[in-house]
Amino acid sequence: GDSVTQMEGPVTLSEEAFLTINCTYTATGYPSLFWYVQYPGEGLQLLLKATKADDKGSNKGFEATYRKETTSFHLEKGSVQVSDSAVYFCALRHTGNQFYFGTGTSLTVIP
Amino acid sequence: DVKVTQSSRYLVKRTGEKVFLECVQDMDHENMFWYRQDPGLGLRLIYFSYDVKMKEKGDIPEGYSVSREKKERFSLILESASTNQTSMYLCASSLFVNNEQFFGPGTRLTVL
Repeated sequence: GDSVTQMEGPVTLSEEAFLTINCTYTATGYPSLFWYVQYPGEGLQLLLKATKADDKGSNKGFEATYRKETTSFHLEKGSVQVSDSAVYFCALRHTGNQFYFGTGTSLTVIP
Repeated sequence: DVKVTQSSRYLVKRTGEKVFLECVQDMDHENMFWYRQDPGLGLRLIYFSYDVKMKEKGDIPEGYSVSREKKERFSLILESASTNQTSMYLCASSLFVNNEQFFGPGTRLTVL
């Protein structure tokens, strides 16, 4: 069945460091791919998405490219800020209404 | 802005109690979802609904039921709460099948 695997956390970075959070997926066909972010005490918010191969989603300095050949959708940011501290979830949606979420990666950015 | 609200942020109940978690969305979305979030397990889908009075089981429906009498409201019911249902519960909604999901702030339920 469909599934998402993302890198284990927690991740701790210094401010202005480069961020990569790996995400790979298993699905037949062409799912849509998402990154959601959960700030402390809040629900999940959509960060970015890509709906077809080679699409690049971007928002707030974060980017992720839908790579069909490697079944990946890695999240990157060139220079993280303290305010980026949150839990990041990779997700896919394939046929039907159901989303499949990864287990989440906690990011802490220290000044 | 889409707003998804949940009736409580924190809830403490006793084993065996009947528990109602309410979710309301204000954007006329067809689809609504209930997840539970546990450390190391991510989000797991309990139930979803694609229309009033319609419901579908997700990955972990055991011990839960749902009700959707009005389009904007989707209730999760724990008929007889147990300690292993202590968790964060997240409600979400989406407009159509292919749209993003909008999440509420979550209800942290503790069952003693």
